[in-house]
Amino acid sequence: EPEVTQTPSHQVTQMGQEVILRCVPISNHLYFYWYRQILGQKVEFLVSFYNNEISEKSEIFDDQFSVERPDGSNFTLKIRSTKLEDSAMYFCASVERATEAFFGQGTRLTVV
Amino acid sequence: LAKTTQPISMDSYEGQEVNITCSHNNIATNDYITWYQQFPSQGPRFIIQGYKTKVTNEVASLFIPADRKSSTLSLPRVSLSDTAVYYCLVALISSGSARQLTFGSGTQLTVLP
Repeated sequence: EPEVTQTPSHQVTQMGQEVILRCVPISNHLYFYWYRQILGQKVEFLVSFYNNEISEKSEIFDDQFSVERPDGSNFTLKIRSTKLEDSAMYFCASVERATEAFFGQGTRLTVV
Repeated sequence: LAKTTQPISMDSYEGQEVNITCSHNNIATNDYITWYQQFPSQGPRFIIQGYKTKVTNEVASLFIPADRKSSTLSLPRVSLSDTAVYYCLVALISSGSARQLTFGSGTQLTVLP
C-alpha cells in the first residue's frame, strides 16, 4: 500500500534554530497538508498546498513557517526560529481525490 | 466549515458493537462526512467516508440520516486494538484547491477485556 513518508521521526533542536521537516507524499497525489498535534491535544491544521502554492493556512502558520515542494516529490515544512511552544508532532498528509487523506507517521519535534 | 460535536470518550468491551455519533448541524450541501482513527504517536488513518444513507467497508459502517445533521460510525465486534481516538470530519469535496480538513476533539474509545 502506498504511504506518506516523513523524516526525521524525531528531531531535537534548540530554541531559535531553524528546522526543516520533510515529507514524501504519495506520488500521484495533488493536495498536500501539514498538521501539528501538541501532546494530548487535537490535530491542528497548519497549511494546505496545491499546484505549487498555498491554498489555505491557519493562524498558527505565521511568518516563521514556510512550505516548499522543491523537486516535485518532497514537501517540506520549515520553521525559521523555533520556540518552545513549537514542540509537537507534525504530520504531513496527501490527498488524491475527495477527502481521503493519507497521513505520515509524523515527526516529533522537541524544542529545548 | 461545519463544526462537529462528538462524545469525549466511550468505553466498550471486546466483541461488542460500538456506535459513535457525531453532530454536524450546519453541514452544507456539498460536504462529505469522513471518519479517521488515530493511535497514540501515529498519524490519523482514514476509516470511512459517506454523503448520505449508509456506507459499509471491511472495517466499519457509516449511517447518515436524511437530514445529514448527524452521522454514526459503527464498529462491529471491537477488539482491544480498536482502542484509539476517532474523529468525525465534515469537508467540502472540490477539485482545484486543497481545502483544509478540520479535526475536532475526537472520541477516545477504550475497549476493555
